[in-house]
Amino acid sequence: GAVVSQHPSWVICKSGTSVKIECRSLDFQATTMFWYRQFPKQSLMLMATSNEGSKATYEQGVEKDKFLINHASLTLSTLTVTSAHPEDSSFYICSASSFGLSGTGNIKITYEQYFGPGTRLTVT
Amino acid sequence: KQEVTQIPAALSVPEGENLVLNCSFTDSAIYNLQWFRQDPGKGLTSLLLIQSSQREQTSGRLNASLDKSSGRSTLYIAASQPGDSATYLCAVRLRGGNQFYFGTGTSLTVIP
Repeated sequence: GAVVSQHPSWVICKSGTSVKIECRSLDFQATTMFWYRQFPKQSLMLMATSNEGSKATYEQGVEKDKFLINHASLTLSTLTVTSAHPEDSSFYICSASSFGLSGTGNIKITYEQYFGPGTRLTVT
Repeated sequence: KQEVTQIPAALSVPEGENLVLNCSFTDSAIYNLQWFRQDPGKGLTSLLLIQSSQREQTSGRLNASLDKSSGRSTLYIAASQPGDSATYLCAVRLRGGNQFYFGTGTSLTVIP
């Protein structure tokens, strides 16, 4: 199946510094990648949608100047947390969307999201 | 805005039991619904994907059903095992959009 990797898996940084998280689709091309944040014992909250070659679309309440997203190729998207603060400490998960064709005579498009293993960010 | 709710929030069962996890959503104009498993501190593993035109999907001991008109999906786990212990999340994608709306999850513990 489709594999998505994230790097690093965990990172500790000092308050005020910036940290970059990479999301890669290893065996398929992902025109769309998504970045989620998950606080302890809470569900995933979408931060932004990243389309290759264009600007990311941010969800309401997410500061685009603080969370910089770059999707320069069909296999790589990066999230940079700038001037990190302790409240940015969270579990960041990316996903990549694939599509396929199925059926005989009819064209059916299915979209499934494949998730990375997540990155644990701790800001001290 | 799509609201996705999962009940119960937590569930503890003895090994071998069959169990049902519930997911409800407010906007029935969905494109598909996906069930995931998440182990502590880990990412998500896709379990089953149901397209809006489908009523159920099966994979091994797992069966997911979808009733769009009532805004509900269930995940049935047969003959539960301790290795099934994890948090189960459902997510729906609306027509015309890329965003997935996640439920709050059900934390499952299967007791040996």
